[in-house]
Amino acid sequence: DAKTTQPPSMDCAEGRAANLPCNHSTISGNEYVYWYRQIHSQGPQYIIHGLKNNETNEMASLIITEDRKSSTLILPHATLRDTAVYYCIVRVAIATDKLIFGTGTRLQVFP
Amino acid sequence: NAGVTQTPKFRILKIGQSMTLQCTQDMNHNYMYWYRQDPGMGLKLIYYSVGAGITDKGEVPNGYNVSRSTTEDFPLRLELAAPSQTSVYFCATSRTNYGYTFGSGTRLTVV
Repeated sequence: DAKTTQPPSMDCAEGRAANLPCNHSTISGNEYVYWYRQIHSQGPQYIIHGLKNNETNEMASLIITEDRKSSTLILPHATLRDTAVYYCIVRVAIATDKLIFGTGTRLQVFP
Repeated sequence: NAGVTQTPKFRILKIGQSMTLQCTQDMNHNYMYWYRQDPGMGLKLIYYSVGAGITDKGEVPNGYNVSRSTTEDFPLRLELAAPSQTSVYFCATSRTNYGYTFGSGTRLTVV
């Protein structure tokens, strides 16, 4: 079973920041937080991952609370093309620890 | 550099027929995975492989078989197709501590 809890859906106005929360209260010390998104029916796309420090890349920022029990993915300036299902996943950062997907958050960006 | 290539993109099978879904990668990743995604649901892991000659079951392996004779190829075999196997199938690859790369999917309908 997925180890994370996400709201089923969120809306965001174009150009505004989209803040997607994720609860992972049972996360272990060696587990990372990964974020993926799936646009329409395409294959999921990797966004970002982190262990305990905040992370930023060209797509998004990841904020992890100090106790690591929750995190927030931030899309700083959402566009219509960011409309997708966003998955928050926790896993050990070795390839033999598989990605286990939950149902994610459906983000709708509106004009 | 094509990444992960899946064929075919679409297929309709009759109940009891067999088929092989092809997955090929050119990134020299050791780890490969097969997922299925039912409508409105997250992805479920079917089988995975940590290298040529090594495969293991995921969450939903029943009704499927895999083989991994080379690093590049990881075919998924359906022996006796059933309506419950109607789904979208995604192949993915990864290497340690990096994100997964997914193919564009195969949409299978069993009638």
